[in-house]
Amino acid sequence: EPEVTQTPSHQVTQMGQEVILRCVPISNHLYFYWYRQILGQKVEFLVSFYNNEISEKSEIFDDQFSVERPDGSNFTLKIRSTKLEDSAMYFCATPGTVYGYTFGSGTRLTVV
Amino acid sequence: KNEVEQSPQNLTAQEGEFITINCSYSVGISALHWLQQHPGGGIVSLFMLSSGKKKHGRLIATINIQEKHSSLHITASHPRDSAVYICAVRSGSSNTGKLIFGQGTTLQVKP
Repeated sequence: EPEVTQTPSHQVTQMGQEVILRCVPISNHLYFYWYRQILGQKVEFLVSFYNNEISEKSEIFDDQFSVERPDGSNFTLKIRSTKLEDSAMYFCATPGTVYGYTFGSGTRLTVV
Repeated sequence: KNEVEQSPQNLTAQEGEFITINCSYSVGISALHWLQQHPGGGIVSLFMLSSGKKKHGRLIATINIQEKHSSLHITASHPRDSAVYICAVRSGSSNTGKLIFGQGTTLQVKP
């Protein structure tokens, strides 16, 4: 399957700092998702993005989070003021075809 | 109560054994997904099912919509199959709804 590229692969940030996670999905997909996985826990839905607008968001996705498609190809997830509990693996995903969704390689965010 | 439950949570097998991982769900779904997560964290889609059975190499996935249950089978298991296997359901009737994940089954296959 084609790849979905996420950058950075690992980011360490100070509590209270802003972070931007980036994803370059399969081209021409209108639907886009962000998920996160806290270490040792199950993967959780954050937000879905359709045609440049948020279509659904979870309770986790509060005012500290935002998503954008700044240039028509990249998707970004921004956390404005990081907290310790934001430490997790963040995945982007797009709907695939035969096998289901295509997930990015993930960004491991560590807040210290 | 979790909407997606997997069993067992952990599984150790000898190389060559037949493996079954089970998934039960309690919500209406448009599809069920089986995913594989390796120690590095990356997630790979294995199957997307809405009915019946699918086979890909040594992997077989089945779903019973009436019983809200799915199984993932691995035939002739190999140490390289060691990973976390995750069941996830796409909620509602939309083909583009969010995924709800199970907690995963950690499989270790010993040579």
